[in-house]
Amino acid sequence: SYELTQPPSVSVSPGQTATITCSGDPIPKKFAHWYQQKSGQAPVLVIFEDTKRPSGIPERISGSTSGTMATLTISGAQVEDEADYYCYSTDSSGNLKFGGGTKLTVL
Amino acid sequence: EVQLVESGGGLVQPGGSLRLSCAGSGFTFSSYFMHWVRQAPGKGLVWVSRISGDGTSTRYADSVKGRFTISRDNAKNTVYLHMNSLRAEDTAVYFCARVLRTGATFYFDNWGQGTLVTVSS
Repeated sequence: SYELTQPPSVSVSPGQTATITCSGDPIPKKFAHWYQQKSGQAPVLVIFEDTKRPSGIPERISGSTSGTMATLTISGAQVEDEADYYCYSTDSSGNLKFGGGTKLTVL
Repeated sequence: EVQLVESGGGLVQPGGSLRLSCAGSGFTFSSYFMHWVRQAPGKGLVWVSRISGDGTSTRYADSVKGRFTISRDNAKNTVYLHMNSLRAEDTAVYFCARVLRTGATFYFDNWGQGTLVTVSS
């Protein structure tokens, strides 16, 4: 079994850069994906395969990986980016797991 | 447009049963693995179960194995989660999600709005 570890919370002022990390053993060998979940809503895919952005996701949201860590970066964070963010990955056996989630506050 | 609509949630007593449904539209339903993911109040996302496109392969989280059964009816574009022997810790919003598989990975590209299951006496 493995775990994906995220910081519980990140707080930035509007216009600043928010960085959310996700660390775990599968990261170097398997892709990381990221979901945004606003209060009371279903999750929305914002980054897939480490760095790719689905259509409709603003360019200020980006993803990267280095070693055992995946990073979600929101450049010039806006109030509308306030949400919970979850990383997700799989291992070589096809087991899948979500990180514990990070609450992003923009104020 | 891809749409997933869950139904069937509600209040049930401990030890009781419930069947959740998830109706898909806007895509070739039988071509996709479908999953259930749950979220307890104030907590994170937890994977529950998945079923292959033709329904022949299923998998479960250890926490629900032997109590929950996933199935699908491709003629109705619907996936089900049959939940038995429910416990208080099963209380959660249950989301169904479509999986997109690429060569090296798979991930959830569309989610339903969720249905709330409350297990309480």
